[in-house]
Amino acid sequence: GAGVSQSPSNKVTEKGKDVELRCDPISGHTALYWYRQRLGQGLEFLIYFQGNSAPDKSGLPSDRFSAERTGESVSTLTIQRTQQEDSAVYLCASSLGTAAAYEQYFGPGTRLTVT
Amino acid sequence: KNQVEQSPQSLIILEGKNCTLQCNYTVSPFSNLRWYKQDTGRGPVSLTIMTFSENTKSNGRYTATLDADTKQSSLHITASQLSDSASYICVVSALGFQAGTALIFGKGTTLSVSS
Repeated sequence: GAGVSQSPSNKVTEKGKDVELRCDPISGHTALYWYRQRLGQGLEFLIYFQGNSAPDKSGLPSDRFSAERTGESVSTLTIQRTQQEDSAVYLCASSLGTAAAYEQYFGPGTRLTVT
Repeated sequence: KNQVEQSPQSLIILEGKNCTLQCNYTVSPFSNLRWYKQDTGRGPVSLTIMTFSENTKSNGRYTATLDADTKQSSLHITASQLSDSASYICVVSALGFQAGTALIFGKGTTLSVSS
């Protein structure tokens, strides 16, 4: 079956613009995670969705970041008024349940460059 | 503070040689430890996952070990191939944390295999 897909694969935007990143999880996976990976750094948790429960937003770095997920399907991560420090690879992962117990499957990521 | 430290930061080896990557963690209470391989421009892919009671786990030419007493893990790669060139990430899962923050990621070891 298809894995986790993300779009776009690359995004270059001007400082101050808004961007939307999309993630299509594996069908049937109730849990969905967004991570940020800066060059030379480890993955940084951003937000977690589990079924219809309230999302865990504890990793979002500022109120410029937000994410939505419709049911157990597609998720979008929105960054408003982008800053140069937002430049990173944004990874999405899905799993059958909480990733502490279930294997996570990662998408290829979206490379965001803010000029 | 829950942390995962990996060493070396980078490594260059000749094709056919073996190598060992290290992971030390201070995560408590411990749930499991995973090793991921991340090819350039791709999302991480799981290699092994080990719980507290497991000392070793193999996946083809990859063998992971876990010493829960000393909180150390290693990933041994046998007869390296050019395709092993990637970043190897150690991830430790903690019990009792919110799902989003339960996974603690190391910064990874970048392995380059040359011919």
